Amino acid sequence: EVQLVETGGGLVHPGGSLRLSCAASGFTFSSYAMTWVRQAPGKGLDWVSIINYSGAGTSYADAVKGRFTISRDNSKNTVFLQMDSLRAEDTAIYYCAKTIFPRDSASCIDFWGQGTLVTVSS
Amino acid sequence: EIVLTQSPGTLSLSPGERATLSCRASQSVSSTSLAWYQQKPGQAPRLLIYGASNRASGIPDRFSGSGSGTDFALTISRLEPEDFAVYYCLQSGTSPKTFGQGTKLEVK
Repeated sequence: EVQLVETGGGLVHPGGSLRLSCAASGFTFSSYAMTWVRQAPGKGLDWVSIINYSGAGTSYADAVKGRFTISRDNSKNTVFLQMDSLRAEDTAIYYCAKTIFPRDSASCIDFWGQGTLVTVSS
Repeated sequence: EIVLTQSPGTLSLSPGERATLSCRASQSVSSTSLAWYQQKPGQAPRLLIYGASNRASGIPDRFSGSGSGTDFALTISRLEPEDFAVYYCLQSGTSPKTFGQGTKLEVK
């Protein structure tokens, strides 16, 4: 059974930093691109970032480029999102998600974690 | 960036009726990269359709997807009470990946 468990959310002041982690199990983690998607309270889904299966390729939404960094540790089946220079508009539930096809960063998401809430407020 | 526009914003129907949800892209999207998701309150989204027309594992056959190029649709043939939720389309073929703004399917 595929499981994705996000941790690391919480309350942070504007300008601060947080590091989210997502522990994966139930599939061959090192074969799949991993994605972060966020959802502000009462709003729609907002794609944040993707990392390819090996970690050699990454991509970011314009809204977070230069502030967020995605990385992964295939030996620990974990993907990370380092979030710096946080703003109020980054407040959201952050979901970790797996792509449907191995070694295909262009494939869609087929499984989502339950999310972790990040609140940026003074 | 490819902008996905979903319509209508809200769709009010009764159980047993047919629902058709639209997702229009600002430029052509590969059919292999268009997906549909269902989200219920307090839950993570669930994949319904991938590759524009392929049902994900465990998805009932009342859900179907169609379309190509810039126009895609999700059809629910006969609404069940559990189908009332918010639906999103996603294009994953071009970075940045983008979601539509969602269609809320509510009970009439």
